[in-house]
Amino acid sequence: KAGVTQTPRYLIKTRGQQVTLSCSPISGHRSVSWYQQTPGQGLQFLFEYFSETQRNKGNFPGRFSGRQFSNSRSEMNVSTLELGDSALYLCASRAGSSGVREQYFGPGTRLTVT
Amino acid sequence: AQSVTQLDSQVPVFEEAPVELRCNYSSSVSVYLFWYVQYPNQGLQLLLKYLSGSTLVKGINGFEAEFNKSQTSFHLRKPSVHISDTAEYFCAVSDLRNNDMRFGAGTRLTVKP
Repeated sequence: KAGVTQTPRYLIKTRGQQVTLSCSPISGHRSVSWYQQTPGQGLQFLFEYFSETQRNKGNFPGRFSGRQFSNSRSEMNVSTLELGDSALYLCASRAGSSGVREQYFGPGTRLTVT
Repeated sequence: AQSVTQLDSQVPVFEEAPVELRCNYSSSVSVYLFWYVQYPNQGLQLLLKYLSGSTLVKGINGFEAEFNKSQTSFHLRKPSVHISDTAEYFCAVSDLRNNDMRFGAGTRLTVKP
């Protein structure tokens, strides 16, 4: 099976702009989670989508949003970018059924805000 | 809610030496435990997992971990490391009540020749 794919891999944006990141999960996986990774804060959970519904949400401002499509692909949007949003954004997928917890990660999107 | 503490932020070790990366967790209910590895400019790769059963879990690349319920620990070990094991290692916990996964701050393992 193909792994989790994320596009684009690298992105440079300016403060105030918005950005959309994309994630395609492993075939058959219905759950997609997003994480922000920075040197100072480590891995922080943004949100999880399962069957097109947000199932769980971390402690991030409303500028961070996401959605999931019927084919389980997910997008994450960040509006009004701030310098502090510079990070590696990781997407992870899992089967989603209860008891199946291991997640499989994509390579990430490196976002730089200038 | 569950939480994870990785006791060492950096672990330097010489090639072919044994290594232990320490992880403690906190949860009021039973948990699933995981170790992930992250190589530079890559995502996280699952090394091993503990769901139930035998407390000694073997993973990929010669790593193993032992679940100790009384000490709420899940330390990762390898008897002989290689230069290629240089990476960041993350311990993660997921409790049986909800679906989220919490990660530790990571341990940077540096293997020196």
